Amino acid sequence: NAGVMQNPRHLVRRRGQEARLRCSPMKGHSHVYWYRQLPEEGLKFMVYLQKENIIDESGMPKERFSAEFPKEGPSILRIQQVVRGDSAAYFCASSPSRAENIQYFGAGTRLSVL
Amino acid sequence: TQLLEQSPQFLSIQEGENLTVYCNSSSVFSSLQWYRQEPGEGPVLLVTVVTGGEVKKLKRLTFQFGDARKDSSLHITAAQPGDTGLYLCAGDGETSGSRLTFGEGTQLTVNP
Repeated sequence: NAGVMQNPRHLVRRRGQEARLRCSPMKGHSHVYWYRQLPEEGLKFMVYLQKENIIDESGMPKERFSAEFPKEGPSILRIQQVVRGDSAAYFCASSPSRAENIQYFGAGTRLSVL
Repeated sequence: TQLLEQSPQFLSIQEGENLTVYCNSSSVFSSLQWYRQEPGEGPVLLVTVVTGGEVKKLKRLTFQFGDARKDSSLHITAAQPGDTGLYLCAGDGETSGSRLTFGEGTQLTVNP
C-alpha cells in the first residue's frame, strides 16, 4: 500500500507569492493532519480535516493560511503572500479514524522563501 | 496547553551501549506514540502505547507507558550505528482532540 504522499518535496517561493502544498492520505484513511516543523524546533499541529470538513484549525495562523480536503483529490495547505518566516518543513499525516488515532506521516514539503 | 518534555536533547554513545530516552508531561494522554525521523524525511511510527503501565518491545527497543499515562520511556539495548536518528514522542491528549503534541526530540548518534 502506498503511504502518505506529499508533493512537492521541495518548494521555493519569493516573498509575496503563494505556496500550495498537497497531501494524499494513505488508502482507506479519511482523516488528515498538517504539522509544521520550524528549523531547530519540534513539530507543531496546524489543522485537522476530514473530507470536506475542517475539524480543528486551532494551530493555524489567523491570516494567510488555509486548508481544505475536498471530496475528490488531495488535501491542500495554502499559504498566501509568503514571508521568510514561513520557511519550514510542512508534514501531513493521516489516520483511519478519530477513534484509531494512529497517525502516519508523509515525507514532508520543505518550503524555502527567498 | 499540553507539553511533552523529552530528555536528553542530544545523546552520543558508542556502539554496543544501552540508552534510555524520557518523555514527561504533567498532562494525561489517551495514547502516546514514538517516532523516528531521519534528516530530510518524515517521522516514521515505531510504536503506540495506550494502557497505563504498558510495555512494548520492538527487537532491541523497549517502550514503556507510565502508570498514570503522563510519561513514557524508550530504552535501546546494544545500540548500533543504524539506530542514529531523531526520536520523537507524541501524545494524543484526553482534552486536545485528535491532534498530537510532540516533544522536542532526542537526537541520538551511535558511533561505530
